[in-house]
Amino acid sequence: DTEVTQTPKHLVMGMTNKKSLKCEQHMGHRAMYWYKQKAKKPPELMFVYSYEKLSINESVPSRFSPECPNSSLLNLHLHALQPEDSALYLCASSYRGAWEQFFGPGTRLTVL
Amino acid sequence: GENVEQHPSTLSVQEGDSAVIKCTYSDSASNYFPWYKQELGKGPQLIIDIRSNVGEKKDQRIAVTLNKTAKHFSLHITETQPEDSAVYFCAAQGGSEKLVFGKGTKLTVNP
Repeated sequence: DTEVTQTPKHLVMGMTNKKSLKCEQHMGHRAMYWYKQKAKKPPELMFVYSYEKLSINESVPSRFSPECPNSSLLNLHLHALQPEDSALYLCASSYRGAWEQFFGPGTRLTVL
Repeated sequence: GENVEQHPSTLSVQEGDSAVIKCTYSDSASNYFPWYKQELGKGPQLIIDIRSNVGEKKDQRIAVTLNKTAKHFSLHITETQPEDSAVYFCAAQGGSEKLVFGKGTKLTVNP
């Protein structure tokens, strides 16, 4: 299994909602990532879980909250988002560090 | 921190021609350089990568070259096909766990 899966594929939420994005991989990778991608832009790193240690991009607002229940699962909890948070949210995983990161198909998020 | 410049931003070629995309990086400590292909509505797909101890790597119609002295690396696609049309991102390792991406090149292969 060489796949990173993400659910849901699409999500529409209001600014007062709470929702979660899910990511799963069964490649035995020990690092998992959340990226945000706006239209016509490259992916922008939000969070890294590597060997169960969290690293945060300091520019990411606190309304985004990652959770890593185990080495195969990664969640992104969303609360009180703004319309400018609408984007494609990508999950990725790698066996070690930045090398050979594999991306999932993404969740297209729209905040109304 | 690492900074990656990518050129051109758009590239249009005829089917069967070659396509070349170039990237430069700033941090001489970077030692891993992947290339991703992203089709519309999909996540980026790793198509080839190169490590700093290698000057060139090939995989069928795709090749990547690395010049560590000049701090630049390039993607070469030969015998292009319409299905090669996509946005291509180069990246460089910017820290132990971080990839820094270029701004992307939209490649269009005209039949």
